[in-house]
Amino acid sequence: AQSVTQLGSHVSVSEGALVLLRCNYSSSVPPYLFWYVQYPNQGLQLLLKYTTGATLVKGINGFEAEFKKSETSFHLTKPSAHMSDAAEYFCAVSVGTQGGSEKLVFGKGTKLTVNP
Amino acid sequence: NAGVTQTPKFRVLKTGQSMTLLCAQDMNHEYMYWYRQDPGMGLRLIHYSVGEGTTAKGEVPDGYNVSRLKKQNFLLGLESAAPSQTSVYFCASSYRADGQPQHFGDGTRLSIL
Repeated sequence: AQSVTQLGSHVSVSEGALVLLRCNYSSSVPPYLFWYVQYPNQGLQLLLKYTTGATLVKGINGFEAEFKKSETSFHLTKPSAHMSDAAEYFCAVSVGTQGGSEKLVFGKGTKLTVNP
Repeated sequence: NAGVTQTPKFRVLKTGQSMTLLCAQDMNHEYMYWYRQDPGMGLRLIHYSVGEGTTAKGEVPDGYNVSRLKKQNFLLGLESAAPSQTSVYFCASSYRADGQPQHFGDGTRLSIL
């Protein structure tokens, strides 16, 4: 069964520092992978996704993630944190029971704090 | 450009009461989903639908029922609310194709006293 593990439920960085949020997955088939961001009292917004092709995926707000099949990882990075990046981030893997990828399995989330 | 709209945004119920949460999407999506979000638990799938008139159980379906009578609407019902159902509920929808992202509503905060 597919699953997602996000290492670190809380990550704290200084403004301008590198952001690295870790995600490992398990999947018996080539996965579709997603990162979502959730700001307080809001729903989830798609940051980026990996389906096929280039393993380095660029998303919104300067975030990117690299799919590494050998490490079963899809870590999220941003070179320089901004105060507005403070939010909770969720990694998800797409799974299907009807021949497609109609469901998502989410990690438990990582809350990012950005210190001035 | 509404996307996914959830009604109501907040609700307080007493144990044993019933209620229905409404989700509406205007993107002509085939798939729709109901999740609950609890602290430290991420999002857990309650029920989902792969098309009008179809529903299926997710990870935590007990105590909930759903209906998808119209393609654009997905209803989540609580027949007899329990304090353990206090949570934030999210609806999402997506296109019927591999690798398509889900689009989320802003959530319904439900408290059961």
